[in-house]
Amino acid sequence: SQTIHQWPATLVQPVGSPLSLECTVEGTSNPNLYWYRQAAGRGLQLLFYSVGIGQISSEVPQNLSASRPQDRQFILSSKKLLLSDSGFYLCAWGPGDGNTIYFGEGSWLTVV
Amino acid sequence: TQLLEQSPQFLSIQEGENLTVYCNSSSVFSSLQWYRQEPGEGPVLLVTVVTGGEVKKLKRLTFQFGDARKDSSLHITAAQTGDTGLYLCAGVGNQFYFGTGTSLTVIP
Repeated sequence: SQTIHQWPATLVQPVGSPLSLECTVEGTSNPNLYWYRQAAGRGLQLLFYSVGIGQISSEVPQNLSASRPQDRQFILSSKKLLLSDSGFYLCAWGPGDGNTIYFGEGSWLTVV
Repeated sequence: TQLLEQSPQFLSIQEGENLTVYCNSSSVFSSLQWYRQEPGEGPVLLVTVVTGGEVKKLKRLTFQFGDARKDSSLHITAAQTGDTGLYLCAGVGNQFYFGTGTSLTVIP
């Protein structure tokens, strides 16, 4: 069966510091991968998605970036965090047919 | 642009009551998913509906996809405290579009 994991689960970082959230998927190959942000436990905002290694599409301009160095690895990064980057970040994967996505456990980021 | 509107946004009911959550859009989707999310966790997929007019049942939960594939509803019969959570719908177009969410609290 397929599994998805992201880490760290909780992160407190000062303003201006770098960020790296990592996500890996097991049990499948060539998945579509996604990074979402969720504010205040409400709707989800798509940040990045990837349909293959090195292929990244950005939905929202900001100081975050994403990379896919391996087929089942998706990394969310920032060189300098802002207070407004605080939130709940969710990694997700989906099969190539694009009909369903499955979420990781989420990562709480607090920028102080 | 928010393509999917959910209603109500908040719902608080007594255990044993029935409820319906709506997910509406002016856009047509190839499929639609419902998720349930608990605080501090990722959303968990409940169901995917693909065909217009499709009805799926998952124990006490009934999901319906509109005939025109623009809207959906989730009906819960005899709600239990374990049903408490945030319910999200998501429509599939050229990407996944998530609804605004319905926060359900079931009071014992």
